Amino acid sequence: DQQVKQNSPSLSVQEGRISILNCDYTNSMFDYFLWYKKYPAEGPTFLISISSIKDKNEDGRFTVFLNKSAKHLSLHIEPSQPGDSAVYFCAASVTGANNLFFGTGTRLTVIP
Amino acid sequence: NAGVMQNPRHLVRRRGQEARLRCSPMKGHSHVYWYRQLPEEGLKFMVYLQKENIIDESGMPKERFSAEFPKEGPSILRIQQVVRGDSAAYFCASSPRQGPQPQHFGDGTRLSIL
Repeated sequence: DQQVKQNSPSLSVQEGRISILNCDYTNSMFDYFLWYKKYPAEGPTFLISISSIKDKNEDGRFTVFLNKSAKHLSLHIEPSQPGDSAVYFCAASVTGANNLFFGTGTRLTVIP
Repeated sequence: NAGVMQNPRHLVRRRGQEARLRCSPMKGHSHVYWYRQLPEEGLKFMVYLQKENIIDESGMPKERFSAEFPKEGPSILRIQQVVRGDSAAYFCASSPRQGPQPQHFGDGTRLSIL
């Protein structure tokens, strides 16, 4: 069963505009969420995280929003740059557990 | 390079052979996690180890797969008698402690079974 879902396999955005990547989860016990970026033939690179006690976290061009009642989080990238083109994975964990649950990823293409 | 190091990057094995995948965690990290990624899928947790201890192997197949993290040297993921379905990318991650925090990933080993 897929507890973390990214329903959009791909997204194309013009350079300079905002990219919004979405993620839904089913397990209400999840209390820590992360976004990773992955280039081909490389490992996932950590981007930004958020704890369930917050509803927003910012780091430069990256902002993550968490809506606990909807079991939904999103990653905003603004302004988008061509170097942001990659696959983005949403992940979630439960305090006390050891593993991350990953979504299936969204391929972002930023068009120059 | 102080990141998570995995080797080999690519490994080709014939059915029935053994595959050994190695992972050296980031400096200062004593917690190691192995994940597997099948084509067009997300990463799936396999096992979590600390030095000399397997803490959680709930994602590990019951047969043919084993993992270790000895006192000295890298963590090893071992797959015996490989089958075609074992073809995947295997990623190792590490963290400095347990608990909610980012795990830092290596570049993976791509295992191909002929």
